[in-house]
Amino acid sequence: SQWGEENLQALSIQEGEDVTMNCSYKTYTTVVQWYRQKSGKGPALIILIRSNEREKRSGRLRATLDTSSQSSSLSITGTLATDTAVYFCATRSGSFNKLTFGAGTRLAVCP
Amino acid sequence: EAAVTQSPRNKVAVTGGKVTLSCNQTNNHNNMYWYRQDTGHGLRLIHYSYGAGSTEKGDIPDGYKASRPSQENFSLILELATPSQTSVYFCASGDWRGQNTLYFGAGTRLSVL
Repeated sequence: SQWGEENLQALSIQEGEDVTMNCSYKTYTTVVQWYRQKSGKGPALIILIRSNEREKRSGRLRATLDTSSQSSSLSITGTLATDTAVYFCATRSGSFNKLTFGAGTRLAVCP
Repeated sequence: EAAVTQSPRNKVAVTGGKVTLSCNQTNNHNNMYWYRQDTGHGLRLIHYSYGAGSTEKGDIPDGYKASRPSQENFSLILELATPSQTSVYFCASGDWRGQNTLYFGAGTRLSVL
């Protein structure tokens, strides 16, 4: 799982497999955002889940949130080679407008 | 489509020199941010702004200044660049009304020699 100053996690899987990435956060948050960063690009939001939701789906993506354990997960079903990227979770901490990112999970999907 | 443009995309600077990284957004967002990303690590917040004329320190502000002269523009300034500031810098804009989703630029790769 990712958070804070932990080193980047790395996963390598075959196309078609399912994958789950985990994220734990340290302070109360009302929303967890998941971003994907492809090589040479800036991160882009792919899904967000609010504290009153336990699960959120968007196409092949599924996010979960457990506020009691302060953790979130992102699952991708039927991965494609184009899912190869670094995935970050982000939460609001302290100031409403300040987002804090986890260290990220580097996912390689081999065709 | 939300748009955040950074310039330059690549920069080589000398130790002790002054570096200015620029960011322009056409999203009309109030909030803008500067992050740095180092190999194997996530995004770390340097400075952010709530609107024109405001700047706030993020988690790693030492050695950096920021300037927000207008809603659209947000600059990051390294007055005395050091090799430890070699990194990839990302600018982002966001609006709290949209759960503060961030829209990122493509990044600036800075090398300080």
